[in-house]
Amino acid sequence: AQTVTQSQPEMSVQEAETVTLSCTYDTSESNYYLFWYKQPPSRQMILVIRQEAYKQQNATENRFSVNFQKAAKSFSLKISDSQLGDTAMYFCAFGSSNTGKLIFGQGTTLQVKP
Amino acid sequence: NAGVTQTPKFQVLKTGQSMTLQCAQDMNHEYMSWYRQDPGMGLRLIHYSVGAGITDQGEVPNGYNVSRSTTEDFPLRLLSAAPSQTSVYFCASSSRQGSGANVLTFGAGSRLTVL
Repeated sequence: AQTVTQSQPEMSVQEAETVTLSCTYDTSESNYYLFWYKQPPSRQMILVIRQEAYKQQNATENRFSVNFQKAAKSFSLKISDSQLGDTAMYFCAFGSSNTGKLIFGQGTTLQVKP
Repeated sequence: NAGVTQTPKFQVLKTGQSMTLQCAQDMNHEYMSWYRQDPGMGLRLIHYSVGAGITDQGEVPNGYNVSRSTTEDFPLRLLSAAPSQTSVYFCASSSRQGSGANVLTFGAGSRLTVL
């Protein structure tokens, strides 16, 4: 069975600075996806970034980028130039390619301070 | 384009009562799933479906029942509610292929309280 671990329950960062959220996973599958989702206080789940396991190039979306280390089964999220609107809970997730189901980590609460 | 629609948004039940959380998507997604979110535990998969007529159990299926008679609908049934089922429930769907493959689109969530 797949597992996803986020070892940082809470983090904080000053506005405009950079922060990295950690995630490790365990799987025996070779073809899969990895995701970071954001959940602001509104409770809505918002996709931040997606990585396909077969791609060696790290995914980037504007201020968000990942460090995907397949052999180490590590998938960290870097947020550059942090903004107050980035304050939210962030979830790392593992996705099987042929079932559509995602397994989520416990989440990291990120607070961006002015 | 409504996306994923969940109803109701809030519900209070007494122990032993049954209810159904409705979920509908209009994106013709093959995959649908139900999650529950509890403090400190992230989102845990209850049941999922890879297509009409096909369902399977997730991480925490006990006390819940699902069916998928159409591509669009994936209701979640609580057979006999227990206080341990107090949670926020999310329905989600995703496409099997294309550039958005496996990217979950979530409903707005349903907060259920069992007294």
